[in-house]
Parts: sequence; C-alpha cells; structure tokens
Amino acid sequence: DGGITQSPKYLFRKEGQNVTLSCEQNLNHDAMYWYRQDPGQGLRLIYYSQIVNDFQKGDIAEGYSVSREKKESFPLTVTSAQKNPTAFYLCASSRGQSKDQPQHFGDGTRLSIL
Amino acid sequence: AQKVTQAQTEISVVEKEDVTLDCVYETRDTTYYLFWYKQPPSGELVFLIRRNSFDEQNEISGRYSWNFQKSTSSFNFTITASQVVDSAVYFCALSEWGAQKLVFGQGTRLTINP
Repeated sequence: DGGITQSPKYLFRKEGQNVTLSCEQNLNHDAMYWYRQDPGQGLRLIYYSQIVNDFQKGDIAEGYSVSREKKESFPLTVTSAQKNPTAFYLCASSRGQSKDQPQHFGDGTRLSIL
Repeated sequence: AQKVTQAQTEISVVEKEDVTLDCVYETRDTTYYLFWYKQPPSGELVFLIRRNSFDEQNEISGRYSWNFQKSTSSFNFTITASQVVDSAVYFCALSEWGAQKLVFGQGTRLTINP
C-alpha cells in the first residue's frame, strides 16, 4: 500500500548531538513537509519542499536542517542548536503544489533528550 | 495573516451523544481551503474533509457532518451518535491560495466514554 514511513518511532538525543529523522513516501507526491507537535499546541511547520532539490523554511526552522535529493525522501536533522527538541515530529506529503490538496501524514517520531 | 482557533481544548461526552467541535478561522484571501484531520492515539493525522471557500454547502458523511458558514468564518464539525472509536484529537486547518502552508488550530481532544 502507498503511504508515508517515518523512522524511528522513538529517538533519544544526547546533549550536543545531531540526530536525523527519516521520512519516505511512495505516493509519488511532489510536496513534502515536516511539522513539530508539542502538547496542547497545534502542528507547527518546520520546513517544506515542493520539488526535488528545493526547500523552504517554515515558521520554526531554527535548529533544524533538511535535504531533498530524491522525490521519495525528505530527512530532517535536529541539530545541537535546537535547544528544546523534545517533541513529536510528523512528516507529510501532498500531490503537486496546489493548495487544495490534502496532506497525508506518517506515524510520527517521538524525540526525547537523554 | 491566516489563523485558526479551536476554542475547545477538551470535550468529554458519553457514548451515543452528539458532539460539535468548533473551528473559527481568519484570512484575507477570498480563495482558501479548510480541512479537518483526526489524530488517533497512534499519532498519524487522518484526513477527513476539505472545503473550498466558494462551496458553502454542508456535508454529511455517515455520522459526520460539517457546517461551513462564511458569514461567521466558521467550519464546525459534528459527530452524531458518538462512539468510543471517535476518541481522538481533531484539528481544523486553513490553506490560503496565496500562501505556501497549511495552518492548524490547536486541536480539540475528544473523549467518548462508554
């Protein structure tokens, strides 16, 4: 079945360490997104990419980096510059760049600090 | 600027009751899209419905119905004869034609008690 796969499901980071969250989709979608979800808050956009080799910052990009070398993959790196990384991270994709296309989500990665 | 407000943080009802989740939005665009997503305990967001700003017809899908009123900038979601499986966090979201992102409300945690 087509879908979005995020891994790992749980991730622990030590102080000063960079960690990378994986997101793969086989829906043939052009656009991909990364969101952060904190308790009691909605989803906040970190980065998005509408086409391979191109991506833009969202509302809370500081301390994060991404790449989009393949259409299927959009990994997110949480760098040591992100001082409060503990959160639930969701990856999404949508068909094309049209604003009316619903986004499809993965199961998420829960990141915690050791 | 676009904004979505879900004033109800948590709702708890007994099974078989009807329940309405409120969503109020702000936008300067005349063309925009509204979405509802369901987030069950497993974490992934599940797309429920999309509405464009030119279609104010109410929609019914089984026990779910949506009431879109441009005059009050609201897009409310009603579950009729609620069931325990409806327990989840529900998000309302807005996408403006001129913007590059989806803006989410803070979410409403719905608990259906047996």
